[in-house]
Amino acid sequence: KAGVTQTPRYLIKTRGQQVTLSCSPISGHRSVSWYQQTPGQGLQFLFEYFSETQRNKGNFPGRFSGRQFSNSRSEMNVSTLELGDSALYLCASSLTGVSSYEQYFGPGTRLTVT
Amino acid sequence: AQSVAQPEDQVNVAEGNPLTVKCTYSVSGNPYLFWYVQYPNRGLQFLLKYITGDNLVKGSYGFEAEFNKSQTSFHLKKPSALVSDSALYFCAVRDPREGGGADGLTFGKGTHLIIQP
Repeated sequence: KAGVTQTPRYLIKTRGQQVTLSCSPISGHRSVSWYQQTPGQGLQFLFEYFSETQRNKGNFPGRFSGRQFSNSRSEMNVSTLELGDSALYLCASSLTGVSSYEQYFGPGTRLTVT
Repeated sequence: AQSVAQPEDQVNVAEGNPLTVKCTYSVSGNPYLFWYVQYPNRGLQFLLKYITGDNLVKGSYGFEAEFNKSQTSFHLKKPSALVSDSALYFCAVRDPREGGGADGLTFGKGTHLIIQP
């Protein structure tokens, strides 16, 4: 079974631009979560989707948004990019939205904002 | 709000020796606890989890973890370390309430495990 895939793997953007990252979960998984990883802040939870509905949202500004499609694929969007948005963005999928289920992570998208 | 602490930024162990990576947590109610490993330039890989039951949980690659409710700890262990175990290890906690709580999966800062030949 194929793992979680994320596209693109690497991205360079300029301050003020916007970006869209894509995530395809493991087949059959219905829950998708997004995380931001930086050397200073570590892994921080962005949001979680289950059956096309956002269930939880971390402490990030409204410039960060996401959505989930009927096939469970998910996208996250960051508008008006800032230098501090440079990070590895990780997507994770889980079989269901039940908290006890482990999450499986993709390889991440490395975003660099210049 | 829930939180996880990994008190050691780095742990150095000689190959063949036992290893322990420490983790303590804070969450309302009975926690769901997880360990993940991250190799360079790769995503996180699930190692093991504690949901309920036996306090000693066994996982992938010979790793195990012991849940201690009184000490609010969930230390990762392995009886005999391999050089290939060198990686970044994350402990994580999840609120057991329906929907997982507003914080999602909360991670510790990570511990670099270095196994010396």
